Amino acid sequence: AQSVAQPEDQVNVAEGNPLTVKCTYSVSGNPYLFWYVQYPNRGLQFLLKYITGDNLVKGSYGFEAEFNKSQTSFHLKKPSALVSDSALYFCAVGPNAGNNRKLIWGLGTSLAVNP
Amino acid sequence: EPEVTQTPSHQVTQMGQEVILRCVPISNHLYFYWYRQILGQKVEFLVSFYNNEISEKSEIFDDQFSVERPDGSNFTLKIRSTKLEDSAMYFCASSEGLAGRHTQYFGPGTRLTVL
Repeated sequence: AQSVAQPEDQVNVAEGNPLTVKCTYSVSGNPYLFWYVQYPNRGLQFLLKYITGDNLVKGSYGFEAEFNKSQTSFHLKKPSALVSDSALYFCAVGPNAGNNRKLIWGLGTSLAVNP
Repeated sequence: EPEVTQTPSHQVTQMGQEVILRCVPISNHLYFYWYRQILGQKVEFLVSFYNNEISEKSEIFDDQFSVERPDGSNFTLKIRSTKLEDSAMYFCASSEGLAGRHTQYFGPGTRLTVL
């Protein structure tokens, strides 16, 4: 069965420092991987995705993520965090097979960037 | 930039009542989805819809749920007889093509409170 794990409920980082939000996945075959962000009382905003090609994917707002097949991970990173990055981050996986490919979601990681 | 819209933003209803949650997907998208997020829990897939029929549904999507695309722009989720445990944030999403390779874009959500 496909699954996604976000091992940290909360990540705290000081403004200006690099941030990492972790995600590991379990899926048969090659995965499609996504990161979404949810600001308070807002919907899920797409940040970036990995489909194929370069393992380092760049997305919105300066975020990037690295696909690591051997470690089955897709960690979200940003070189210099902003207070405005504080939000809930969700990793999701869509299996690269089947007809409809619904997204399977992690539980989310709350990122707090302190000034 | 085109976006998915949802109405209402918040719906309060009595247990046993019917509710209809409305969504306007992005206009050139062909695949439509409903997800829900119970407070503090993960985002869960409910149903996907393509070519005027359900293409996939989860075990959550039982007989009390139905979806419809009544015209060329709206996509609705009906809950026939609401239960307390239906209280959640409901997200609509749409994608240009099959999920996975094609990104799902989400609306801001409808918070459903069943009393």
